[in-house]
Formats: sequence, structure tokens, C-alpha cells
Amino acid sequence: NAGVTQTPKFQVLKTGQSMTLQCAQDMNHNSMYWYRQDPGMGLRLIYYSASEGTTDKGEVPNGYNVSRLNKREFSLRLESAAPSQTSVYFCASSELASDSYEQYFGPGTRLTVT
Amino acid sequence: GNSVTQMEGPVTLSEEAFLTINCTYTATGYPSLFWYVQYPGEGLQLLLKATKADDKGSNKGFEATYRKETTSFHLEKGSVQVSDSAVYFCALKNSGYSTLTFGKGTMLLVSP
Repeated sequence: NAGVTQTPKFQVLKTGQSMTLQCAQDMNHNSMYWYRQDPGMGLRLIYYSASEGTTDKGEVPNGYNVSRLNKREFSLRLESAAPSQTSVYFCASSELASDSYEQYFGPGTRLTVT
Repeated sequence: GNSVTQMEGPVTLSEEAFLTINCTYTATGYPSLFWYVQYPGEGLQLLLKATKADDKGSNKGFEATYRKETTSFHLEKGSVQVSDSAVYFCALKNSGYSTLTFGKGTMLLVSP
């Protein structure tokens, strides 16, 4: 049981390049999330998918797109990377149980855009 | 909108000292509240939670009590260890959505 896995762990891009961050979970959770973490800003939600087949914008969606490929996988795409997107990106998943609502996080992808 | 405010860090303590990290929130109704911990180089993991007013969440010696009168959920530990050094995030569940709102995090540094 690997939990939430993310690839790659590290990435360096040049301004204008594109890339896709991959996320997969093996806990059969319905909901998945993408966050970015920046110093002094905490975690900010980029996009989420409450269930397979749905996606919704979070607090900071501009410059990103997402795809919920199936119940296990949720990818985040940067079409034209900018230095402001230098950050650590975390994927998470959860199950909407009655009072649990724990989110399980992956180990993160550290992205630098030069 | 909903918001979570945490005390700014870093909080620096000696081993065996008492820890308090303050957290207050603004939200409609009575949301479920959480503390997450992030160890260096890792993702966040749930530390404890409380789902209704006056509930006390506890785990690994940490405790937090849901106080609706003061809209607070302060994290406490009686005797910290060097291994508790990490960033601690307070969070609430947004009513009607499958999302959480996080505070900005508080770094805790414990020295021997």
C-alpha cells in the first residue's frame, strides 16, 4: 500500500516550457487535490476533484490545468511555466466519510522555473 | 470566506518544555478542525482532529480542544522532544465542499 505517490520529485523548467505532474493513490479514495506550498503562504489549493469525472478550481488555479484520468490518477499541467510557479506541489486524496475527512498527502514535487 | 490564523513562527523551545501553538478560525457554522504536521522533506500528515464543539483531539502527546466561544483550536503538548521539530498546520473543513482551508503553518524547533 503506497498511499499517494507523485512524480517527479524534482524538476527544473525554463520559462515557457510545459510539463505535467503526476499523482496516483491506491486507497480507493473519491476525492483528490493539488496544492502548492510557498514560504509564508502555507498551502493553497490549486484544483480539486471531488469525485471521478469532476474537477473544480481552488484558490489559485490560474496557469494550471488538471485531468482526473480515472479514480486513481489526477494530473496537474503547466502549459507555459513562469517563475511565479516555482513552488513545492503536493497531491492529496481523501474519502468523504461521515466525520473522518482525513486528507492523505504525497511526498511533493519541488519545481523550479528559471 | 473561511480563514485560519496561526501564530507566526518559528517557535523555539528546549526539550521537555511546554508547547502551545495558537489557532483561531473564521467560518460559518461549526466546521471540523484539524492539525496537520509536516516533517522536513515530507508531505503533511494528520496529527489530530475534532469534529464538534468541546471535542478534544489527541495523538502522540499532542492535544487540542474545539472552543466555539473563542473560535479556537490551540495545539498543546506537555513536554516536547527534538523529534517534534516540524511545521504544524491548523485547518478547517469548508462546509458543503470537500475541501480544507489551511493556516500558514508554524515552524517548531526543539533543541536538546
